[in-house]
Amino acid sequence: ETGVTQTPRHLVMGMTNKKSLKCEQHLGHNAMYWYKQSAKKPLELMFVYNFKEQTENNSVPSRFSPECPNSSHLFLHLHTLQPEDSALYLCASESGDGPYEKLFFGSGTQLSVL
Amino acid sequence: DAKTTQPPSMDCAEGRAANLPCNHSTISGNEYVYWYRQIHSQGPQYIIHGLKNNETNEMASLIITEDRKSSTLILPHATLRDTAVYYCIVRVAGGATNKLIFGTGTLLAVQP
Repeated sequence: ETGVTQTPRHLVMGMTNKKSLKCEQHLGHNAMYWYKQSAKKPLELMFVYNFKEQTENNSVPSRFSPECPNSSHLFLHLHTLQPEDSALYLCASESGDGPYEKLFFGSGTQLSVL
Repeated sequence: DAKTTQPPSMDCAEGRAANLPCNHSTISGNEYVYWYRQIHSQGPQYIIHGLKNNETNEMASLIITEDRKSSTLILPHATLRDTAVYYCIVRVAGGATNKLIFGTGTLLAVQP
């Protein structure tokens, strides 16, 4: 148990669906991340939020829309996805205010787009 | 951030020490070396980090060369549960303002 909870654990959606991924951290952290991991590829950083403000958007297509209503919750809203968006989506958090940090990751949401 | 180079895969016998190398020849003076591991289909897990001194914790030891251009992660007594992809990452201190970028890592297979 890392203190970072992601739901759902698995998600299957059609290309016309709208769905949301949820991440919650119980660590009192101020920074939260979304990473994407396609099969047999390295983790790709998607978004970073620090103190609820988006500080990084790594050229992510607009069909992925993040939302960070408070420092404990992070969402990834999905709409009109493509089959190549099928991947493991990982959320992570860190305290965000220290000189040397470590990320705590959730178990991820395995997304399949049909 | 500076790049790292790791072998794509390594084998280790159960109970033996696993020594995972990492090259970071372009590391800057204010960049730390971090190690994470990822067991299949789970989120990565922090292992250890260091700046220039060797470090040890309950999971592993980190040996950084004097010129800081390379490092070695040591798992002293590997078990089957240590089979995972191990990532070596360099990152400037400063938290979330400095992105943590993962490479391809080393797949460590611990053999019975």
